[in-house]
Amino acid sequence: GAVVSQHPSWVICKSGTSVKIECRSLDFQATTMFWYRQFPKQSLMLMATSNEGSKATYEQGVEKDKFLINHASLTLSTLTVTSAHPEDSSFYICSASPGWQGSNEQFFGPGTRLTVL
Amino acid sequence: SQQGEEDPQALSIQEGENATMNCSYKTSINNLQWYRQNSGRGLVHLILIRSNEREKHSGRLRVTLDTSKKSSSLLITASRAADTASYFCFTGANSKLTFGKGITLSVRP
Repeated sequence: GAVVSQHPSWVICKSGTSVKIECRSLDFQATTMFWYRQFPKQSLMLMATSNEGSKATYEQGVEKDKFLINHASLTLSTLTVTSAHPEDSSFYICSASPGWQGSNEQFFGPGTRLTVL
Repeated sequence: SQQGEEDPQALSIQEGENATMNCSYKTSINNLQWYRQNSGRGLVHLILIRSNEREKHSGRLRVTLDTSKKSSSLLITASRAADTASYFCFTGANSKLTFGKGITLSVRP
């Protein structure tokens, strides 16, 4: 149980286009979902926290208008990278927290590798 | 901010040996979690230890927590080549996890 999927697993796009990444909790309801960004050989950087039905909370330095997050249901959150540029190329990982027994344990998706040409 | 700070940064051992990784943190926590990440992949949750626990086992994994020293250790016994990965400790005081830089473990066949 506790499986999180991401789609697509990789995407290549031209500079200036927008890319949407989906994160789904397959067998549990996620009260909270998180979006991370990871550069090569570095740790994960939390971008934003999203709760179903409310606006996402962005971390300092993350542009809200650049990275649009929509948590439409308890099993789906989307991250849209708008007007992508080569510097947005990165590995994006989502996680979902079911909040079982008050635990903050998170289950991670497999990640999406974005390459902007 | 980064709370979990692991050491060593990199560890190379022979298959069959034990690997010990340490994590230190700065503020009070509710729990500490260890995750593994294989190259270019997502993270896999390994084990969670609560602040009122001192030691926990899961298969070949043994985690200890010393809240007085604000540190935790992850021991992998009888390592295998498949254990080669990056290991992260995360501390949770609320719903948000903060990550250390990770430890790169290489297990030589």
